[in-house]
Amino acid sequence: DVKVTQSSRYLVKRTGEKVFLECVQDMDHENMFWYRQDPGLGLRLIYFSYDVKMKEKGDIPEGYSVSREKKERFSLILESASTNQTSMYLCASSFNLAATNEKLFFGSGTQLSVL
Amino acid sequence: AQSVTQLGSHVSVSEGALVLLRCNYSSSVPPYLFWYVQYPNQGLQLLLKYTTGATLVKGINGFEAEFKKSETSFHLTKPSAHMSDAAEYFCAVSSDRGSTLGRLYFGRGTQLTVWP
Repeated sequence: DVKVTQSSRYLVKRTGEKVFLECVQDMDHENMFWYRQDPGLGLRLIYFSYDVKMKEKGDIPEGYSVSREKKERFSLILESASTNQTSMYLCASSFNLAATNEKLFFGSGTQLSVL
Repeated sequence: AQSVTQLGSHVSVSEGALVLLRCNYSSSVPPYLFWYVQYPNQGLQLLLKYTTGATLVKGINGFEAEFKKSETSFHLTKPSAHMSDAAEYFCAVSSDRGSTLGRLYFGRGTQLTVWP
């Protein structure tokens, strides 16, 4: 089975800190995604990547950046954390861009609290 | 543009009762439709998907959904609820063409509670 691993389950940071959320997948998937999940708002796409060093903005990229130096790893960066970035962050991967009828594989999520 | 509307943020049923979770989509191109489930403290996992072909799709754990193009709906049903079905359910839409290629759009989710 595909495994998508997020480095931390819970994270507490202070306002203004630089925060790194790490995600690794083990099935050679081309596409990787970062979503933010908030109660009543569902999942909102922050950024996605369809190849190494490639990235595309999602619906809510402001305040975030990403890095994909290796195919298996996709990092989400909060340059200067703010309290409104307190949320559950979900990483996902899928096989390739052309196969948009294929399912996403999700990690278990990182619950980030910014104080 | 594509979007998903899930009617009802919370649904409660008794064990053994019919489960019906509603999803309507908006898409200017033929859609691919998905239902995902999220159990507490876990990521999302795929329940079922519609791509092409048969409009009644069967998924895991006894769930099924029917694609109705005329109603732009993809409602999720299960004949008899089980306590283990308690979770949050997300409907999603994607497409293989246009500017939204490769992206999956999610609804806001429906929390299903099952009473004993």
